[in-house]
Amino acid sequence: SYVLTQPPSVSVAPGQTARITCEGNNIGSKSVHWYQQKPGQAPVLVVYDDNDRPSGIPERFSGSNSGNTATLTISRVEAGDEADYYCQVWDSSSDHWVFGGGTKLTVL
Amino acid sequence: QVQVVQSGAEVKQPGASVKVSCKASGHTFSDYYIHWVRQAPGQGLDWMGWVNPKSGGTKYAQDFRGRVTMTWDTSITTAYLDLSSLRSDDTAVYFCVTKRSGPNNGFDYWGQGTLVTVSS
Repeated sequence: SYVLTQPPSVSVAPGQTARITCEGNNIGSKSVHWYQQKPGQAPVLVVYDDNDRPSGIPERFSGSNSGNTATLTISRVEAGDEADYYCQVWDSSSDHWVFGGGTKLTVL
Repeated sequence: QVQVVQSGAEVKQPGASVKVSCKASGHTFSDYYIHWVRQAPGQGLDWMGWVNPKSGGTKYAQDFRGRVTMTWDTSITTAYLDLSSLRSDDTAVYFCVTKRSGPNNGFDYWGQGTLVTVSS
């Protein structure tokens, strides 16, 4: 089955840029989605199809995807961005949806 | 305005079954699927499968086949998740979420989650 690997944690100071990676075999050929989840809440879609944002998501959230790595970039990080972030793809070989293990973003 | 509202928390004994409901509104469901995702305490997200409201067709994740049934009641635009032979490691929050068809679309509208606790 297809595996997505994320770093367990990323830390960044307010106002700086956070980059959260998601590694998978030839992930650049897939469409990657990213979710933000705060404690006790349901996940929220923040980036879909590699680098599109749903309405209401700030432009500070962007994505890229190439080769074996997809990246979620959060510019000008704010305290309110502190959350768990998950990447996701659809694996065509198994017809299953797959999530990465999640990354806890800490704002210092 | 899309709304997805799930049923309340459940406590079940090992070996029992649980049925979680998910009332969806605000969509025209001809082009949407209802997915189920679960999250064990302190753990990540685990995709369980989907039901197609238009056809009633389903797809289940390998890990849950044989124990899970997902259905859709068109008359009340409500999806159901049935999970049987419950074990302690089925203790989790279960989310339903709507998604437009196609791999390029993400899981956009999530329910609030339903906590299922399996304990004797």
